[in-house]
Amino acid sequence: GEDVEQSLFLSVREGDSSVINCTYTDSSSTYLYWYKQEPGAGLQLLTYIFSNMDMKQDQRLTVLLNKKDKHLSLRIADTQTGDSAIYFCAERKSYNTDKLIFGTGTRLQVFP
Amino acid sequence: DAMVIQNPRYQVTQFGKPVTLSCSQTLNHNVMYWYQQKSSQAPKLLFHYYDKDFNNEADTPDNFQSRRPNTSFCFLDIRSPGLGDAAMYLCATSRDGTGGTEAFFGQGTRLTVV
Repeated sequence: GEDVEQSLFLSVREGDSSVINCTYTDSSSTYLYWYKQEPGAGLQLLTYIFSNMDMKQDQRLTVLLNKKDKHLSLRIADTQTGDSAIYFCAERKSYNTDKLIFGTGTRLQVFP
Repeated sequence: DAMVIQNPRYQVTQFGKPVTLSCSQTLNHNVMYWYQQKSSQAPKLLFHYYDKDFNNEADTPDNFQSRRPNTSFCFLDIRSPGLGDAAMYLCATSRDGTGGTEAFFGQGTRLTVV
């Protein structure tokens, strides 16, 4: 199937690290993405990782990829209240480079 | 400045009354996409244009059509909206559709069917 799965909710204290997890379906996926969606807004690309990489770091964001387990994670260091949003992982199928399959989204709530 | 602009932000339409959502882009990207996002669900690709070439997803209902008169504009037409078509509709663009290029999303149009 095409299901990309994420846990629905995550609640963290301001200043702590957040880790959002995702399992995807296609081991041949070429690129994996993390998008952020604030209430009533479109999707904002946060970062992406190519499938031949294990890790990518970009300021407060760290992406880890375990291809064997088809597991992707996004770690947000020093989480701020402005990070509260829904986070979607997405995979791009290797046989159709134009289509993104999105996960169900994880709602991150940051409390003071 | 907004690069992918969707109008209107909120649209209310009557059951069965045709409705058109619009998307424009200032990025001169080749690819434009339409996604449907129902409440608390993942965005789902309906179709996309690579330049003038239309690519429909296999499970997109016939009720949904699209037009791309030029590079900058793309329209989503819903011929006979049903209550189940109420959703957020997201337009996105990418430069050339290859995996490493970023897809830019608009703010979305939230469609309500009454």
